[in-house]
Amino acid sequence: QSVLTQPPSASGTPGQRVTISCSGSSSNIGSSYVYWYQQLPGTAPKVLIYRNNQRPSGVPDRFSGSKSDTSASLAISGLRSEDEADYYCAAWDDSLSGHVFGTGTKVTVL
Amino acid sequence: QVQLVQSGAEVKEPGASVKVSCKASGYTFTSYDINWVRQATGQGLEWLGWMNPYSGNTGYAQKIQGRLTMTRNTSISTAYMELSSLRSEDTAVYYCVRVDGSGTPYYWGQGTLVTVSS
Repeated sequence: QSVLTQPPSASGTPGQRVTISCSGSSSNIGSSYVYWYQQLPGTAPKVLIYRNNQRPSGVPDRFSGSKSDTSASLAISGLRSEDEADYYCAAWDDSLSGHVFGTGTKVTVL
Repeated sequence: QVQLVQSGAEVKEPGASVKVSCKASGYTFTSYDINWVRQATGQGLEWLGWMNPYSGNTGYAQKIQGRLTMTRNTSISTAYMELSSLRSEDTAVYYCVRVDGSGTPYYWGQGTLVTVSS
């Protein structure tokens, strides 16, 4: 069961900006770092954002993360065809003593 | 570079057990927790639990507690996940994931498909 809520889908044309929201609670997003994953079809998830807004080396600066209270968001600017993928937010949940994932958002490039 | 290589696909009957291995390389195995995450076909990610390879301490998701056991063999830098009393709803790709310094599940194995079917 997913504790973090994301929109099921998002879309945009090449070059546009797309934002994905992630809603949680005080026991997870409100008290922990948020991280974001990109999952291309048939592959393992890959870290896009960690510690709320940090990008691993190799991740383009078109991807940015932010967090406010019990919500977080991932923004993709300058959308490209290769950004078509599933995106998941995640955080540690103090009440569950475990990591929780978002419901996932499928991004389509029109 | 950090690498996690998992064992191959498994097909099991309902009620059986499955054990998946995850061999780590490119870092000191006992320095970072290993988590396990699964994903049913077309579904989202589900966190299953964590293990500290140094101490052997573990923590499991409440939903699966009692059926899941995580162990390790430090001499060969390998973590294991064993799931018992398999049900059809356990059919999924199982991933081992190493955390980073802040506890974020960061480095993922390639995944192991476990199919439960009679």
